[in-house]
Amino acid sequence: QSALTQPRSVSGSPGQSVTISCTGTSSDVGGYNYVSWYQQHPGKAPKVVIHDVTKRPSGVPDRFSGSKSGNTASLTISGLQADDEADYYCCSYAGSAWVFGGGTKLTVL
Amino acid sequence: EVLLLESGGGLVQPGGSLRLSCAASGFTFSDYAMSWVRQAPGKGLEWVSGISASGGDTCYGGSVKGRFTVSRDSSNNVLYLQMNSLRAEDTAVYYCAKENFYDFWNWGQGTLVTVSS
Repeated sequence: QSALTQPRSVSGSPGQSVTISCTGTSSDVGGYNYVSWYQQHPGKAPKVVIHDVTKRPSGVPDRFSGSKSGNTASLTISGLQADDEADYYCCSYAGSAWVFGGGTKLTVL
Repeated sequence: EVLLLESGGGLVQPGGSLRLSCAASGFTFSDYAMSWVRQAPGKGLEWVSGISASGGDTCYGGSVKGRFTVSRDSSNNVLYLQMNSLRAEDTAVYYCAKENFYDFWNWGQGTLVTVSS
């Protein structure tokens, strides 16, 4: 199973919006509506911010949203805040296995 | 509150073995599938292995299949990962994670495994 493809880095100014893409195949992203996104601050464990492509766990701000088209999923963060600066990983179920993306470093300028 | 506490990491020589444990609390352990996810230093996340709520079904990532074995003790609320024939590329922080159907809802703080001579 190959890792999902994410941009290595994205950046934005406070208040702006950024979108992180996550490209897989029909065997993972395109084949299931089970894409999740994780936020990881340095030295910390990952935290789920989006699950089942578009759903936000309670406690996650509605500034975080997810979508999917074909084999590509996306995470959009609007109204950027300093604390959003972190690494973000997508993950897709792939039939009795999971595959993660390589991760995207979000810098808030 | 869900708590997952990994232990058992450390320094091991190539070809050696190590068993990781994950003590779970704050939820009904026997109701949930669990997984191990690892992160090599400075690298991304990699799913390693998963086990069903009953323990009857297990699955592994390609890089560890045949070398690692996942198991659980639902009487004591502990998840295990037996790692054999360790290689340098297995060096990573290993997290246990509570599954929520098709994603990872809660994570432990991780335990570092270093494979080096």
